[in-house]
Amino acid sequence: DTAVSQTPKYLVTQMGNDKSIKCEQNLGHDTMYWYKQDSKKFLKIMFSYNNKELIINETVPNRFSPKSPDKAHLNLHINSLELGDSAVYFCASSQFREDDNEQFFGPGTRLTVL
Amino acid sequence: GENVEQHPSTLSVQEGDSAVIKCTYSDSASNYFPWYKQELGKGPQLIIDIRSNVGEKKDQRIAVTLNKTAKHFSLHITETQPEDSAVYFCAASIYTDKLIFGTGTRLQVFP
Repeated sequence: DTAVSQTPKYLVTQMGNDKSIKCEQNLGHDTMYWYKQDSKKFLKIMFSYNNKELIINETVPNRFSPKSPDKAHLNLHINSLELGDSAVYFCASSQFREDDNEQFFGPGTRLTVL
Repeated sequence: GENVEQHPSTLSVQEGDSAVIKCTYSDSASNYFPWYKQELGKGPQLIIDIRSNVGEKKDQRIAVTLNKTAKHFSLHITETQPEDSAVYFCAASIYTDKLIFGTGTRLQVFP
């Protein structure tokens, strides 16, 4: 009965490769997010989708491309991986309501680029 | 844009003592202030939140206070227990806009 799940949990890859991270939520939420947590634990928003439409796109390199096939899924594809992409990536979901916008986070995907 | 500062970066307390973590925000339009607890190897988990129309909120041993005039909010944990040890993050947002997180506080509770 996991609320927000991500796969894989760990991802080790070489520089220059392309990889994807998948996220699914079973909370019935209409908004999903991707966050990046660096080695100093700093959490920063990358993207947000509401009803499959991109609503937040922070200054992220265009090597990162999110895709939302439906409201319950938000995937992150990363092209030409660089050393600096090493981080923990968290998916989150929420309702898009002013009085009910609590964000639930997934367990994270630790990406290591060698 | 919004900027959230969080202090202290580390906090060590004896079991049973209280712990206080403080955050300040820059955008007076921010109206939602959640606090997250992140245990090792896990995702952040919401522990309490407060909206700008409320000055204080309490849930058992955890309380949050908000001072809109000074643009700061604080997390208070009373009767700390070893299982409270984790990294705590404050955050701020304007309605349904993105969450801006503080830099985190590593809390250690010694038995």
